[in-house]
Amino acid sequence: QVQLLQSGAEVKKPGASVKVSCRVSGNSLSGLSMHWVRQAPGKGLESLGGFDPQEDQIMYAQKFQGRVTMTEDTSTDTAYMELRSLRSDDTAVYYCTTKTYGHSVQSYWGQGTLVTVSS
Amino acid sequence: DIVMTQSPLSLPVSPGEPASISCRSSQSLLYSNGYNHLDWYVQKPGQPPKLLIYLGSYRASGVPDRFSGSGSGTDFTLKISRVEAEDVGIYYCMQALQTPITFGGGTKVEIK
Repeated sequence: QVQLLQSGAEVKKPGASVKVSCRVSGNSLSGLSMHWVRQAPGKGLESLGGFDPQEDQIMYAQKFQGRVTMTEDTSTDTAYMELRSLRSDDTAVYYCTTKTYGHSVQSYWGQGTLVTVSS
Repeated sequence: DIVMTQSPLSLPVSPGEPASISCRSSQSLLYSNGYNHLDWYVQKPGQPPKLLIYLGSYRASGVPDRFSGSGSGTDFTLKISRVEAEDVGIYYCMQALQTPITFGGGTKVEIK
């Protein structure tokens, strides 16, 4: 059973950066394709990017190109998402999510990390 | 990035009645393996989304059989045969063909 444990809530000022972590247990991060999704208060789900197994690299959503960096530390099975030049509309819950493929598909989500951007 | 469009935005349904949600993608989600890479999720307040349907029509483990997914290419539908009170929530379609994954805007299902 895969579990994703994210880092705690953050409060940042406009223009700052935030780095959210997502530690994988129950599986190896290197065997998974990790994605990052956010949800602003009262809004829908928005993807920032993730690992593309066909391209064998991390791909970012066009909206966040140049402002987001996703990295993975396979030695600790931890994925990271760093978002820079924060604005107030970046206030959201950030999730890491992945799937496993066996007899059936299983979807896993972290518990979410609230990032608040406020002066 | 692939754009996903859902309708309706809100869906009030009486208990025991059917419900249907539509989802359209800006490009075909049918992969060369013959599968449509389209998932359906439901999200309840304060929780992350939960997978209901994957590859267009396959129910995830533990999902009641009143939920079904259909469609191919760019047009997909999620149906609930008989809505129960526990089915309230926001339903999202999501394309898993390309990275980044992308989501529809969501459909809020509520009980009349």
